[in-house]
Amino acid sequence: KAGVTQTPRYLIKTRGQQVTLSCSPISGHRSVSWYQQTPGQGLQFLFEYFSETQRNKGNFPGRFSGRQFSNSRSEMNVSTLELGDSALYLCASSSPGQFEQYFGPGTRLTVT
Amino acid sequence: KNEVEQSPQNLTAQEGEFITINCSYSVGISALHWLQQHPGGGIVSLFMLSSGKKKHGRLIATINIQEKHSSLHITASHPRDSAVYICAAHQGGGADGLTFGKGTHLIIQP
Repeated sequence: KAGVTQTPRYLIKTRGQQVTLSCSPISGHRSVSWYQQTPGQGLQFLFEYFSETQRNKGNFPGRFSGRQFSNSRSEMNVSTLELGDSALYLCASSSPGQFEQYFGPGTRLTVT
Repeated sequence: KNEVEQSPQNLTAQEGEFITINCSYSVGISALHWLQQHPGGGIVSLFMLSSGKKKHGRLIATINIQEKHSSLHITASHPRDSAVYICAAHQGGGADGLTFGKGTHLIIQP
């Protein structure tokens, strides 16, 4: 089975722009979670999707949004980028009834 | 909110040494996860445990629910074990119930 894939792997944006990141879960996995990792804060939960519905959202401003498609692929969007949004964004998928998370390689976003 | 503390933050050891990384949390949990992150960012889930002990190859994870403490041990350490090890406490529910430690940066020198 192919693992979780994320695109793009690296991204450089300027302040004020917006960005869309994509995550394709492992085949058969319907739950996708997104996390932000920074040197200062470590890993922090962003949101979780299951069957195209957002189940949970972390403590992030409304500039951070996401969605999930019928094929379980998920996207997250960050609008009006700030320097502090520079981070590694990771997504993880899990199979129905299981909570073990399978992580993707991440997208490293740099905001200048 | 759960507070998750890991120690040590950084650890450098020689190849072959026995390694122990500790994780403590403040609130009762349904499961404790150990994750491994190599340079470049990719994270691998090593263990998910709610009681007792689990072993996979040279890696052993233990948890003491009463003491709210878990340990990750690496026997016969090897330079390829060099990575950041992160514990995450899950209070139940979905991914919003996960609280991550700051990680232990392990370097194994040949």
